[in-house]
Amino acid sequence: SQTIHQWPATLVQPVGSPLSLECTVEGTSNPNLYWYRQAAGRGLQLLFYSVGIGQISSEVPQNLSASRPQDRQFILSSKKLLLSDSGFYLCAWNIGGLAQHFGDGTRLSIL
Amino acid sequence: QQQVKQSPQSLIVQKGGISIINCAYENTAFDYFPWYQQFPGKGPALLIAIRPDVSEKKEGRFTISFNKSAKQFSLHIMDSQPGDSATYFCAASIDRGSTLGRLYFGRGTQLTVWP
Repeated sequence: SQTIHQWPATLVQPVGSPLSLECTVEGTSNPNLYWYRQAAGRGLQLLFYSVGIGQISSEVPQNLSASRPQDRQFILSSKKLLLSDSGFYLCAWNIGGLAQHFGDGTRLSIL
Repeated sequence: QQQVKQSPQSLIVQKGGISIINCAYENTAFDYFPWYQQFPGKGPALLIAIRPDVSEKKEGRFTISFNKSAKQFSLHIMDSQPGDSATYFCAASIDRGSTLGRLYFGRGTQLTVWP
């Protein structure tokens, strides 16, 4: 069966520090991968998606970047965090146009 | 532009009652409509999904009703329970003939079921 892992579960970072969040998927090949951000009590904002290794599409220009160094690995990064980067970050995967499956997210707090 | 519009934003229902959440879309190319359930601190989990070639799909206490001509679909939770208290998201995507399953989400409905 397929599983998705995100880590860390929670993270507290100072303003201006770098960020690296990792997501890996097991049990499937060549998945589409997605990064979302969810503000407290709000909806899901799509940040990046990838259809293959090295292929990244950005939905919202901002302080973040994404990379896909391996087929089932998706990384969200920032060189310098801003206060506005706080939120709940979710990774998801799917095959084709079917339902996406989400990880349990990373709660990021910027101080 | 919000591709999928969801209402209400919040909903309070008594235990045993029926919870109804509505969604509407504009893009007639959408052909896959999933609903997600999210508990605090967790990622959304797929609850139930429907394609536009059927008007209703039922799984246990959860039913999706789909009106293709009106471009609307809704989630009905029968015999609502306190454990159903969560945030619910509707979504839509273009599945057939698509290699990218980008989902367009509604803004979510926070459901509270009182015991």
